[in-house]
Amino acid sequence: RKEVEQDPGPFNVPEGATVAFNCTYSNSASQSFFWYRQDCRKEPKLLMSVYSSGNEDGRFTAQLNRASQYISLLIRDSKLSDSATYLCVVIGPGGYQKVTFGTGTKLQVIP
Amino acid sequence: DAGVIQSPRHEVTEMGQEVTLRCKPISGHDYLFWYRQTMMRGLELLIYFNNNVPIDDSGMPEDRFSAKMPNASFSTLKIQPSEPRDSAVYFCASRPQAGGEQYFGPGTRLTVT
Repeated sequence: RKEVEQDPGPFNVPEGATVAFNCTYSNSASQSFFWYRQDCRKEPKLLMSVYSSGNEDGRFTAQLNRASQYISLLIRDSKLSDSATYLCVVIGPGGYQKVTFGTGTKLQVIP
Repeated sequence: DAGVIQSPRHEVTEMGQEVTLRCKPISGHDYLFWYRQTMMRGLELLIYFNNNVPIDDSGMPEDRFSAKMPNASFSTLKIQPSEPRDSAVYFCASRPQAGGEQYFGPGTRLTVT
């Protein structure tokens, strides 16, 4: 089993739709979680951290489910500019000694 | 701040040649990471440094790859000899001591023919 797994997609959704991605991780002792966004032929950039209690940033909501070992990202009211690849990142165990990126989920928002 | 700087942005070389990729992290960041990204394998961590010291190089694919960080503002990733399967985008990222966010450079797109 891969340490961090994501559905590669692509997810093709119309503008205004709500879309959700999941990311599963194998090590229950993992400590920190993030979502990064990567545009085509660009570097990854931090989208948001994922907190145990869940957190929201505008149209984006991140959740952590430690019991089932997955994190999720919900995007409401999708915009064309949301089209990108979304990478989940799992840190630990062992503090920041282990950083594992998922292979990413590609989102295409269609007019 | 200029962000993480990488050079060259593009490199095309022939199999067997030596390739050197360069990275200047954000000033004040204590951690520096080298990644490789391909369509097949995604983003893979090759090696990371803390305060210029290599901490984990378990992701370095083989002895042809080496990385150095002679000072806090400069790191190199060297491939010698290069092979076509090394073709990928190589990213450098830095992170401050206390924070979790990594800041990525624009990457070096390497093509080995």
